[in-house]
Amino acid sequence: SQQGEEDPQALSIQEGENATMNCSYKTSINNLQWYRQNSGRGLVHLILIRSNEREKHSGRLRVTLDTSKKSSSLLITASRAADTASYFCATDAGNQFYFGTGTSLTVIP
Amino acid sequence: EAGVAQSPRYKIIEKRQSVAFWCNPISGHATLYWYQQILGQGPKLLIQFQNNGVVDDSQLPKDRFSAERLKGVDSTLKIQPAKLEDSAVYLCASSLGGLDQPQHFGDGTRLSIL
Repeated sequence: SQQGEEDPQALSIQEGENATMNCSYKTSINNLQWYRQNSGRGLVHLILIRSNEREKHSGRLRVTLDTSKKSSSLLITASRAADTASYFCATDAGNQFYFGTGTSLTVIP
Repeated sequence: EAGVAQSPRYKIIEKRQSVAFWCNPISGHATLYWYQQILGQGPKLLIQFQNNGVVDDSQLPKDRFSAERLKGVDSTLKIQPAKLEDSAVYLCASSLGGLDQPQHFGDGTRLSIL
């Protein structure tokens, strides 16, 4: 399937450190989005990067996209305890839209 | 702005029973999505509506799942009859346009099948 896979599955860091998570996918895409999900809640949109873009910033978030390697990374700088959540990438490949398997991030105060 | 509203928040039924979920999207959002999220996995798109028309329902198990969006606003998702493997969180999302627009999610309905 087109479903992306996030790596690592789980990540635990100290507050103030940076967190990097990666997403790989299988076929060509139009755009890629990153979402955050707190436990027991719905997903929250973080950032969208189009296939012709290589890097995008939003506050403490930095997203890169490498279409030749079919991969994307999400960097959260200066992490906070409130960043503890699961993070998902989602790919739009024409009519198909898939979420990845997710990275569970724990930020220790 | 009010977010996406879903009800009920939790539902417990026995297998072979039927169940329905309701979603009210953000006002003005033309596109509405239903997702199934099994514990520990990412959401899986079941059906996408544009206004009151179906855009994509390729992953909807049509022998037991049905969805409608009358008048292009709120929507219901029904399962009949339910199976054990339907235990999951059912999420509704809405957006202004197509798949290149951010989606806004409700908090979902957690369904447990006994």
